[in-house]
Amino acid sequence: GENVEQHPSTLSVQEGDSAVIKCTYSDSASNYFPWYKQELGKGPQLIIDIRSNVGEKKDQRIAVTLNKTAKHFSLHITETQPEDSAVYFCAASNTDKLIFGTGTRLQVFP
Amino acid sequence: KAGVTQTPRYLIKTRGQQVTLSCSPISGHRSVSWYQQTPGQGLQFLFEYFSETQRNKGNFPGRFSGRQFSNSRSEMNVSTLELGDSALYLCASGKDREEGELFFGEGSRLTVL
Repeated sequence: GENVEQHPSTLSVQEGDSAVIKCTYSDSASNYFPWYKQELGKGPQLIIDIRSNVGEKKDQRIAVTLNKTAKHFSLHITETQPEDSAVYFCAASNTDKLIFGTGTRLQVFP
Repeated sequence: KAGVTQTPRYLIKTRGQQVTLSCSPISGHRSVSWYQQTPGQGLQFLFEYFSETQRNKGNFPGRFSGRQFSNSRSEMNVSTLELGDSALYLCASGKDREEGELFFGEGSRLTVL
């Protein structure tokens, strides 16, 4: 069945460094790839998304890249700040349903 | 613009009981999806409703059911609760599936004793 693998499960970085989270999906029909940030006690919040007709998308300090051939997509956060600390989820959708990765707990140390 | 509202936020039930959770989507959104979040399994898709019709269903037993009303508000019900049903139940709304974007509520945290 459809599956999304996400790595790493935990990531610790120093403030100001970059963080990269990688996901792989199995359903080649997937065409929409959102990233969500979940803070403690809150629901996931959409931070950036990319569609299959685009290879890269950037929004200030965050960017997402997509390699449809390899079925990989990644989240890049530059100049990390303590408030970036949260759990990040990738997801893939083929307009059928959204399948989530298992999450990455990012800790940014001051 | 109000976000997705879920009630109740917290509840405690005992095994064998049943529970109903409610979700009010963002105004104008007609799609409502439900997810179960647990530490071990992550975010698991339960079902999706659009214009009062269930469009898609995840791999959960029949004890899990839902419905959507004409005003797009949705409810999900879990009958004969088991300890393993303890989880955060998240509702997400969207304009339509083709739009892709889902907006999540804060969730309803269910504890089954």
